[in-house]
Amino acid sequence: AQSVSQHNHHVILSEAASLELGCNYSYGGTVNLFWYVQYPGQHLQLLLKYFSGDPLVKGIKGFEAEFIKSKFSFNLRKPSVQWSDTAEYFCAVMTTDSWGKFQFGAGTQVVVTP
Amino acid sequence: DAGITQSPRYKITETGRQVTLMCHQTWSHSYMFWYRQDLGHGLRLIYYSAAADITDKGEVPDGYVVSRSKTENFPLTLESATRSQTSVYFCASGTDTQYFGPGTRLTVL
Repeated sequence: AQSVSQHNHHVILSEAASLELGCNYSYGGTVNLFWYVQYPGQHLQLLLKYFSGDPLVKGIKGFEAEFIKSKFSFNLRKPSVQWSDTAEYFCAVMTTDSWGKFQFGAGTQVVVTP
Repeated sequence: DAGITQSPRYKITETGRQVTLMCHQTWSHSYMFWYRQDLGHGLRLIYYSAAADITDKGEVPDGYVVSRSKTENFPLTLESATRSQTSVYFCASGTDTQYFGPGTRLTVL
C-alpha cells in the first residue's frame, strides 16, 4: 500500500531559524507531490506542488521544496521562519494509479517562538 | 467570491440524530472529497466523488452517506450520529490539486 511519512511530528524553533521538514513516500511510479499548511483554527492551504520539471519548487510565503526521486522524498524548506509560520504542515502524494485521490502524511506541527 | 464553502461551520447534535453537512464549490471541479481531521489521526478520507452520480468509499466510510446529484454540491450525511464522529470535517474539490473548504466542527453529545 502507498504511504506518506513525515519524519517529525513536532518541531520547535526560533524566529529566523531555518526550517526543513521531511516527507517520504512509498510508490514506485509517477507521483504528484504537495505541501499544505494549516494555520491554527483554519483549513488547509496549498503551499506548493510538484508535477514535473525542475525538482526544486518554489511556493508561497518563501517556502520551497525539493523532489529527490531516488530517495522518494519531497522535503520542505524555508531559510528563515517567522512567528506567523506557526502551523501544521502536511505532505501529500497523488499517484497515477489513484488519480484525484491524495495520500496525506500525518502532519508536522511547527511552533516558532519569538 | 467563488470557491468552496461548507455549512454549517459549527454543529452540536445528539447521539442517534441524522446530520447533514453541506459542501458547495463554484469551480466546476470534477472531483470532490470529504475528510475528517482528528488529533493523532491526521486527515482521513471518508468518501470522494469523481463526477456527478459517481461516488466511492475512502478510508473511513462507515456511518456516513454521500450523494452528488449536481457537480457543485457534495453533501455528507451521518445517518445516526455517534460520539466517535465528533470531529472537524473538511470538504475539498479539485482535479490535479485539492482545494479545501473552511471546515465544519461537529460535536456529538
